[in-house]
Amino acid sequence: DGGITQSPKYLFRKEGQNVTLSCEQNLNHDAMYWYRQDPGQGLRLIYYSQIVNDFQKGDIAEGYSVSREKKESFPLTVTSAQKNPTAFYLCASSMLGGQPQHFGDGTRLSIL
Amino acid sequence: GENVEQHPSTLSVQEGDSAVIKCTYSDSASNYFPWYKQELGKRPQLIIDIRSNVGEKKDQRIAVTLNKTAKHFSLHITETQPEDSAVYFCAAGEGNEKLTFGTGTRLTIIP
Repeated sequence: DGGITQSPKYLFRKEGQNVTLSCEQNLNHDAMYWYRQDPGQGLRLIYYSQIVNDFQKGDIAEGYSVSREKKESFPLTVTSAQKNPTAFYLCASSMLGGQPQHFGDGTRLSIL
Repeated sequence: GENVEQHPSTLSVQEGDSAVIKCTYSDSASNYFPWYKQELGKRPQLIIDIRSNVGEKKDQRIAVTLNKTAKHFSLHITETQPEDSAVYFCAAGEGNEKLTFGTGTRLTIIP
């Protein structure tokens, strides 16, 4: 969906380095999500946020952090505590009240 | 928490035949079941969804059925075409705020 922009498309991280993945939406969606996708696996929820300045841990939050200072932005930081960060990261957004989630194009993170 | 199992992991069908992908879920509170299609290197795209107050939903060649008692739901694609080749994911959740995804089915349509 053109309304959800993730950047960069590819990202490389050195050992011990924090990196931040950007996710911006112009759909006026209330909720935003971060998922991790590994080969042969489904999407696993890292963090989600339903309103500004509030967010909840998903199933695999360890080693990640997020912020939600603006409705349209939900950046994800992969910290050095995440020992296996190589994956495809997908951001999604939706209206509240049982509306479908729409995804961005993803960021592929690799370790140098 | 919710646990979603998806089968098969790979599926090959002749062009024009039907394809069926099945998912089971564990949490009886789940009431929203979307299906996503993901082509290689691209974003997942919603193709159809169903809520627990209906048993079946159709959209052209695609249909989804839900059995709440057995806690399973299925995706049916009829008259398959080469462009149907992709990975398909099911998901389940209470509302859509927190979805649990299956591990995906790689569907290959054989011309």
